[in-house]
Amino acid sequence: KQEVTQIPAALSVPEGENLVLNCSFTDSAIYNLQWFRQDPGKGLTSLLLIQSSQREQTSGRLNASLDKSSGRSTLYIAASQPGDSATYLCAAVLWGYQKVTFGTGTKLQVIP
Amino acid sequence: NAGVTQTPKFQVLKTGQSMTLQCAQDMNHNSMYWYRQDPGMGLRLIYYSASEGTTDKGEVPNGYNVSRLNKREFSLRLESAAPSQTSVYFCASSDRGGGTEAFFGQGTRLTVV
Repeated sequence: KQEVTQIPAALSVPEGENLVLNCSFTDSAIYNLQWFRQDPGKGLTSLLLIQSSQREQTSGRLNASLDKSSGRSTLYIAASQPGDSATYLCAAVLWGYQKVTFGTGTKLQVIP
Repeated sequence: NAGVTQTPKFQVLKTGQSMTLQCAQDMNHNSMYWYRQDPGMGLRLIYYSASEGTTDKGEVPNGYNVSRLNKREFSLRLESAAPSQTSVYFCASSDRGGGTEAFFGQGTRLTVV
């Protein structure tokens, strides 16, 4: 059974800092890995999707990398802003499985 | 572009009551999913539908039933609500199983008293 772990569970940083969020998964045979953002009381917003054949994806200040051999993905946020404050979730999809396994998230607070 | 729409947004039920959560997507996606989100547990898959006409159990299906009414709509039914079903429920859709980006609704906050 795929297990997805996100450490740390919470993170507080000053505005402008570059930061890295971590996601670990136990089964390396993933089909893709997706990063989401969740604001309080809201649904999930997709940030980046990395296919199993890819090493990284970039969107604006966000960069996500994938290392299947080590079972890790990282989300890099450059020049953090207070508006980045939210919970960030990663989700792994196994090859041949039409479902996803989510991590429990990292709650990020960016302090002005 | 509405994306994934869930109704209702909030609901309070008494133990033993039944209700149906509605979900519709306008992206012509083949696959749809129902999740519940509980503090400290993350999101857990209840049921999914890989394509119109098919449904399969996820990680926590007990106490729930689903119907894939057509390609757009996927409903979740609680036949006899229990306090343990107090949670936030999310519907999601994707184009091809888990192989493409998943899109989520805004959630239904359900309280069973």
